[in-house]
Amino acid sequence: EAQLVASGGGLVQPGGSLRLSCVASGFTFSPYWMHWVRQAPGKGLMWVSLIRNDGITTTYADSVKGRFTISRDNAKNTLYLQMTSLRAEDTAVYYCARDWYHAIDLWGQGTMVTVSS
Amino acid sequence: DIVMTQTPLSSPVTLGQPASISCRSSQSLVHSDGNTYLSWLQQRPGQPPRLLIYKISNRFSGVPDRFSGSGAGTDFTLKISRVEAEDVGVYYCMQATQFPHTFGPGTKVDIK
Repeated sequence: EAQLVASGGGLVQPGGSLRLSCVASGFTFSPYWMHWVRQAPGKGLMWVSLIRNDGITTTYADSVKGRFTISRDNAKNTLYLQMTSLRAEDTAVYYCARDWYHAIDLWGQGTMVTVSS
Repeated sequence: DIVMTQTPLSSPVTLGQPASISCRSSQSLVHSDGNTYLSWLQQRPGQPPRLLIYKISNRFSGVPDRFSGSGAGTDFTLKISRVEAEDVGVYYCMQATQFPHTFGPGTKVDIK
């Protein structure tokens, strides 16, 4: 069964850093584009970033550009999100998700990031 | 950025009755490759989202046929022909024609 398991969330102070990981299993990870999408408590979904299968081409939401970096290790079937200069408004559940013909067909369970002093 | 709007934002429905959600985009979602990358997702309470419909009207694997999508350009609709208890949740439209990808605000469907 195809699965995405995200980890690395937690409580961090404003201005701090955190690295999220997402391990893929049950499917061949390397050909797929991958996303990070977040959801603030009680709010809707917000797209954060995408990385293509080449591991080089990346895109970001304006609100995280320059602070977040998406990357992947196809040998380890793992997607990452390095988050720096964190702000209170970055508090959210972060979902890793798989792109499928410009839709998102597989979502992880999410990992909670709380930015607070 | 393309802004996605949805109406209604809340939809109390009687079991067995139909439900309809409208999604509008601030600009055409027709991609340069000719496809329209508008999808619908369902998020049940406490769960991650789940893909229901892709490219306007294509039902994803395992999605019951009571769900259908339609529309073109900037106006799209998700219909549930007969609402069941398991359909309770929040429904989002999402455009992936242009970066940044954007979601509608969500429509909460619950049972009257």
